[in-house]
Amino acid sequence: QKEVEQDPGPLSVPEGAIVSLNCTYSNSAFQYFMWYRQYSRKGPELLMYTYSSGNKEDGRFTAQVDKSSKYISLFIRDSQPSDSATYLCAMSRGGAQKLVFGQGTRLTINP
Amino acid sequence: EAGVTQFPSHSVIEKGQTVTLRCDPISGHDNLYWYRRVMGKEIKFLLHFVKESKQDESGMPNNRFLAERTGGTYSTLKVQPAELEDSGVYFCASSHLPRGDQETQYFGPGTRLLVL
Repeated sequence: QKEVEQDPGPLSVPEGAIVSLNCTYSNSAFQYFMWYRQYSRKGPELLMYTYSSGNKEDGRFTAQVDKSSKYISLFIRDSQPSDSATYLCAMSRGGAQKLVFGQGTRLTINP
Repeated sequence: EAGVTQFPSHSVIEKGQTVTLRCDPISGHDNLYWYRRVMGKEIKFLLHFVKESKQDESGMPNNRFLAERTGGTYSTLKVQPAELEDSGVYFCASSHLPRGDQETQYFGPGTRLLVL
């Protein structure tokens, strides 16, 4: 069983839609939860991170963590074609530690 | 400020040959990580340097892989001899040492390796 499960998609939605991306995990030692965005032929770029359970909002993006369910989510409001990318969830125990990634969800926002 | 750079961007080699990948981290970043993404799979950790020392090499697949970080600056990852299953995208990431908060790992664009 993988430590982090993420539906690879692909996911295609119309411009302006609300997008929901999710990951589940099995290791209760994870304390930091991250969402990376990766455009084609580029490296992953940190979008948001959350410590422990709770919500975090940054503009059109909201990250949620539910440690009791081992479930994390990323919501994108008013989605734009420029949001089209692969979204990767990643987790770590904290500090300078390796990241454990989900498989990534390929998202396309159609104009 | 320059980001993490990796060289080469692409490499195509034959099975049994040797390939060396290079990563230049962001200046001043003590942490350097190598990750790999095999087609259809998730990005997986290979190893972690703190300055010139190997902090964690639990993800290295076997002894055909050798990583070095000379003087705590750039790093190289050598695969010798390369096998078909080594094909994938190799990412390097770097970060500051965290001070009470989660570090942010900055990724390079990756090296796409194809072993034929």
